[in-house]
Amino acid sequence: DGGITQSPKYLFRKEGQNVTLSCEQNLNHDAMYWYRQDPGQGLRLIYYSQIVNDFQKGDIAEGYSVSREKKESFPLTVTSAQKNPTAFYLCASSMVGRAIKLSGNTIYFGEGSWLTVV
Amino acid sequence: GQNIDQPTEMTATEGAIVQINCTYQTSGFNGLFWYQQHAGEAPTFLSYNVLDGLEEKGRFSSFLSRSKGYSYLLLKELQMKDSASYLCAVVRSNDYKLSFGAGTTVTVRA
Repeated sequence: DGGITQSPKYLFRKEGQNVTLSCEQNLNHDAMYWYRQDPGQGLRLIYYSQIVNDFQKGDIAEGYSVSREKKESFPLTVTSAQKNPTAFYLCASSMVGRAIKLSGNTIYFGEGSWLTVV
Repeated sequence: GQNIDQPTEMTATEGAIVQINCTYQTSGFNGLFWYQQHAGEAPTFLSYNVLDGLEEKGRFSSFLSRSKGYSYLLLKELQMKDSASYLCAVVRSNDYKLSFGAGTTVTVRA
């Protein structure tokens, strides 16, 4: 079955260390997104990509980096420059263009990753 | 940019109706979504509006007015399991940027 897979579910980061969260989808979606969620808060957009080899900064990109070398994959690296990385991270993918107007349920989320600084 | 505003919290009684409002400002509107989210889980799709008017799905309905930059989610016959956070999200047409509001926590009391 098609879907979107995030890993790992739980991750611990030491001070000064970079860590990478994986996001893979086999839905043939063009657009992919990374969000951060802090307790009791909404989803804040970190980075997004609407096509391979292209991505844009979201609202809170500082301290994060991404790549989009393949359509299926959109990994997120939390760098040591991100001073407060402890949060719940969600990856999502979506159809774009005309397809999004035909059916609303076009955004698929991964199960999320919990990142904690130790 | 995109600004999306919704109330922080709402409380209602089991069996009642609650309306969650969402106002937005965006350059190039391409649709508005409502999601339900329980703590520590991924959001669950509830509704999508791209044209003005009301979309009804069982106990949940969503309304959109593009000229006013306004939407609401109506939850009828509230059940205890409806206690959750409800997220309003807007997608932009030129680059498909998908932004979420901060969410509205709904608490259903017996």
